Amino acid sequence: EPEVTQTPSHQVTQMGQEVILRCVPISNHLYFYWYRQILGQKVEFLVSFYNNEISEKSEIFDDQFSVERPDGSNFTLKIRSTKLEDSAMYFCASSAGQGAADTQYFGPGTRLTVL
Amino acid sequence: QKEVEQNSGPLSVPEGAIASLNCTYSDRGSQSFFWYRQYSGKSPELIMSIYSNGDKEDGRFTAQLNKASQYVSLLIRDSQPSDSATYLCAVNGFTGGGNKLTFGTGTQLKVEL
Repeated sequence: EPEVTQTPSHQVTQMGQEVILRCVPISNHLYFYWYRQILGQKVEFLVSFYNNEISEKSEIFDDQFSVERPDGSNFTLKIRSTKLEDSAMYFCASSAGQGAADTQYFGPGTRLTVL
Repeated sequence: QKEVEQNSGPLSVPEGAIASLNCTYSDRGSQSFFWYRQYSGKSPELIMSIYSNGDKEDGRFTAQLNKASQYVSLLIRDSQPSDSATYLCAVNGFTGGGNKLTFGTGTQLKVEL
């Protein structure tokens, strides 16, 4: 069964450093998303991406964040200058379409720890 | 601010019983509703989706939607210890550009032997 994959599973970084989180969405999916979940809190939407453009972003997704689809399979989230409060699980998701009924399938997540 | 509300629990039920999980949402324009299961330290896993008023059954799971009351629920019949997890209610309003999911905080379910 096709699935979303993410690497690395755990990333530890120093405050102020740049990190890139990688995702491989399900192969025939066209819509891609990043969510994050701070420990003990709810899953929060960061950004959606389609046709090489950001479709929507939340207020969390400020200038330190960027997304890119560098090739036909990868989808990346870059955090330019990490802060302590960026420590969280980051989930990538993908869906086949953008209709409200199109299910989003989540990857296993990357646990980011900022020291 | 679009909100999705859930009782955080824990909800404890004995093995074999019916577990009832509830969710309310604030945005009347919401079009689709999802229940995800999340084990500790893992990613959300889709359990059920529902788009129309009424009930939708899939195996031991039944989702119920009442758009007039802005209420969605999940029933788990014959609860098993493996059902012990946090159940996340998610709502999709489809803004026409983003298709983002808004999640509740989740209800922790404990199925006891």
